[in-house]
Amino acid sequence: DQQVKQNSPSLSVQEGRISILNCDYTNSMFDYFLWYKKYPAEGPTFLISISSIKDKNEDGRFTVFLNKSAKHLSLHIVPSQPGDSAVYFCAASSEPGAGSYQLTFGKGTKLSVIP
Amino acid sequence: DGGITQSPKYLFRKEGQNVTLSCEQNLNHDAMYWYRQDPGQGLRLIYYSQIVNDFQKGDIAEGYSVSREKKESFPLTVTSAQKNPTAFYLCASSMGTRFYTFGSGTRLTVV
Repeated sequence: DQQVKQNSPSLSVQEGRISILNCDYTNSMFDYFLWYKKYPAEGPTFLISISSIKDKNEDGRFTVFLNKSAKHLSLHIVPSQPGDSAVYFCAASSEPGAGSYQLTFGKGTKLSVIP
Repeated sequence: DGGITQSPKYLFRKEGQNVTLSCEQNLNHDAMYWYRQDPGQGLRLIYYSQIVNDFQKGDIAEGYSVSREKKESFPLTVTSAQKNPTAFYLCASSMGTRFYTFGSGTRLTVV
């Protein structure tokens, strides 16, 4: 049973427009969420995170929104650039101290930004 | 420069052979992990270790083994019991769930 779901395998966006990547989760114990960006044949790189005590976190062109009641988070990229073309993974975890060091990943969404 | 080093980047294995993937980190992270990525499958956890000389099975541990004799090192052995070993393998380390850092990966192909 998938605990973290990224229902869109791919997304195409025009350069300069907004990219919105979505992620849903089912485990109510998750309270820390991360987004990773991955290029082919490379390891994922950390992009942005959000704790459940917040509903929004912003870092430059990247903003993550969390809706705890809907168990939904989204990553907004504004404006989108061709270099943003990659696979984006959503990941979730419980807070340290709960005994879990594991991240649970979604299957990823491949973003293509068209010049 | 702190980071995680995985070697080799590409590895070929004959059927029936064991092969060991290397992972070294100099970030002084306590925890280390091995993930496997298959097309359309995301990242699946194979094994993880929170401290030296201790490790736990992840979701897909069958056919794999690990050791954690040193804080810096967490090698993964893909045994002949792993029926479908061709995949992209990623090592990671963390301080709790913060500062989760991945290596650049090893592509294993069975020939």
